[in-house]
Amino acid sequence: AQKITQTQPGMFVQEKEAVTLDCTYDTSDQSYGLFWYKQPSSGEMIFLIYQGSYDEQNATEGRYSLNFQKARKSANLVISASQLGDSAMYFCAMREGRVNFNKFYFGSGTKLNVKP
Amino acid sequence: NAGVMQNPRHLVRRRGQEARLRCSPMKGHSHVYWYRQLPEEGLKFMVYLQKENIIDESGMPKERFSAEFPKEGPSILRIQQVVRGDSAAYFCASSQTSQLNYGYTFGSGTRLTVV
Repeated sequence: AQKITQTQPGMFVQEKEAVTLDCTYDTSDQSYGLFWYKQPSSGEMIFLIYQGSYDEQNATEGRYSLNFQKARKSANLVISASQLGDSAMYFCAMREGRVNFNKFYFGSGTKLNVKP
Repeated sequence: NAGVMQNPRHLVRRRGQEARLRCSPMKGHSHVYWYRQLPEEGLKFMVYLQKENIIDESGMPKERFSAEFPKEGPSILRIQQVVRGDSAAYFCASSQTSQLNYGYTFGSGTRLTVV
């Protein structure tokens, strides 16, 4: 089974609107971390936000927030007030706390296009 | 404070040649990870190294691929006798801890094209 599933290959959003990028995960570990990375066309991987499995509050970092629904095993990224510079690939990733904790498992990504 | 430096950014090799990819971790980071990104896919773990030690190579192909992180100098990912299927982006990441909540810093990647 896939560890991380991103079902939206591509998304469009109007500038200044909010957008949600979906991510579901699969693990039997109780302790794990969920991450989102941004990959612009230049290719580098930029860390955006982290959510721990024991965190009760949803993580927020500026315009990024993570909608964490543990029972549904989902960790959706919400970008508020989209900007043209947000156009990029977005990857959801997970590290498991007990086994394989040194590995990131990445989803296949969502390409976000922000329209002016 | 330089980030993770990878070179070259782009590498073209003919089938059968060797490819050497270099990664200099961030200052103070002693953990290095290599990932491969095939076109239209997410990154896949290859290997995790600490200075002079391979800790986890469960994602490395059994043949032709090797990695090292010597006491001095960058980490090297070496691919011998490259084939077309090795064409991909190879990313290196580094960290100073393996703590779970730590988002590793990735380099900009090396894009390998095998012709």
